[in-house]
Amino acid sequence: AQSVAQPEDQVNVAEGNPLTVKCTYSVSGNPYLFWYVQYPNRGLQFLLKYITGDNLVKGSYGFEAEFNKSQTSFHLKKPSALVSDSALYFCAVRDAGTGGFKTIFGAGTRLFVKA
Amino acid sequence: GAVVSQHPSWVICKSGTSVKIECRSLDFQATTMFWYRQFPKQSLMLMATSNEGSKATYEQGVEKDKFLINHASLTLSTLTVTSAHPEDSSFYICSASDRLAGTYEQYFGPGTRLTVT
Repeated sequence: AQSVAQPEDQVNVAEGNPLTVKCTYSVSGNPYLFWYVQYPNRGLQFLLKYITGDNLVKGSYGFEAEFNKSQTSFHLKKPSALVSDSALYFCAVRDAGTGGFKTIFGAGTRLFVKA
Repeated sequence: GAVVSQHPSWVICKSGTSVKIECRSLDFQATTMFWYRQFPKQSLMLMATSNEGSKATYEQGVEKDKFLINHASLTLSTLTVTSAHPEDSSFYICSASDRLAGTYEQYFGPGTRLTVT
């Protein structure tokens, strides 16, 4: 069975500093990996995905993530945080090996960027 | 970009009544739609997956007779919460994918907040 772990409930960063939001996953086959952001009382917005190819994936709003197969991780990063980045971030995984479309979400990490 | 809408955005109903939530893909064919439930400060819990024209596949622990899902067209799926009770109060989010397009993304609706009194 596939699963996703986001070990940090909350991450606090000062504006202008780099940020990292951690994610590890478990699938039986090859993973499709995603990051989404959610603002209060809103649906999820897609940030980026890893399907195949380069391990470093660049996405929306200056975010990027690195796929590390040996560590089964897909950490979200940004070189310089903005106050407006404060939101709830979800990592998600789909098992390509099952041929299905079922996506499992992590518990979410709340990011606070302080001015 | 792909847009998914939900209606209503919020609804308050009395215990024992039924509520229908609509999910529409506005500019693409949603061959597969998903319904999620999100409790405050928690992650999304997948309730069911539906393919257009087929019966929905429910996740373990989700009552089929309570949460009726219909995916009758390539742009519309509905979730009906039957005989709602206060414990059904939650944020319901739908998402859609175009499986035939070969993409891997899910496009999410803005969510519907259901409050059962």
